[in-house]
Amino acid sequence: GEDVEQSLFLSVREGDSSVINCTYTDSSSTYLYWYKQEPGAGLQLLTYIFSNMDMKQDQRLTVLLNKKDKHLSLRIADTQTGDSAIYFCAERKGASGGSYIPTFGRGTSLIVHP
Amino acid sequence: DTEVTQTPKHLVMGMTNKKSLKCEQHMGHRAMYWYKQKAKKPPELMFVYSYEKLSINESVPSRFSPECPNSSLLNLHLHALQPEDSALYLCASSQSQGARGWTGELFFGEGSRLTVL
Repeated sequence: GEDVEQSLFLSVREGDSSVINCTYTDSSSTYLYWYKQEPGAGLQLLTYIFSNMDMKQDQRLTVLLNKKDKHLSLRIADTQTGDSAIYFCAERKGASGGSYIPTFGRGTSLIVHP
Repeated sequence: DTEVTQTPKHLVMGMTNKKSLKCEQHMGHRAMYWYKQKAKKPPELMFVYSYEKLSINESVPSRFSPECPNSSLLNLHLHALQPEDSALYLCASSQSQGARGWTGELFFGEGSRLTVL
């Protein structure tokens, strides 16, 4: 996870916006992803962005990509208690034998207070 | 069907036991993965199978032995594990790169929580 860095914790009030930040190192990354992991569960893809895009919006989620600074952010509007989870940033780091090998950040624990 | 199913959900085993974790998907994905995840850490890649052939082994100790009997199934055979091997083991699958509509998304199962005594 050293190639992808994230802050470990974020605490917000219900109804506020949450912004989770990530920096990555591989400038050749073509896809960047945000996964969500709820307690005791596997990871679920929330959204992804192609490297030729600066922004992607999907309902309450907005992803911003700054390729120059290798910085990715996920904004969750109107954060709800159900959004409490760990959020992993991931970059695609090349492929081998037709397989996609993601590199995950350490994850940001989002805690939403009522 | 967009599910990856893992069994068992929980497993407790002694250091001399032999057990297996199982994973199944029916999405037609030809790439399947085993990850190990310790508490408060990201998933660590262990093995990748592509078209039922082992394509990546991330220097995993031989006490973990993967098997891909067919394109829908992935097993992880466990033998002589150590207490530090206790973790959540996640299976994932994906389309192979080049498939129509490929996004690189990994579909994860809920995991098998392993405790080694």
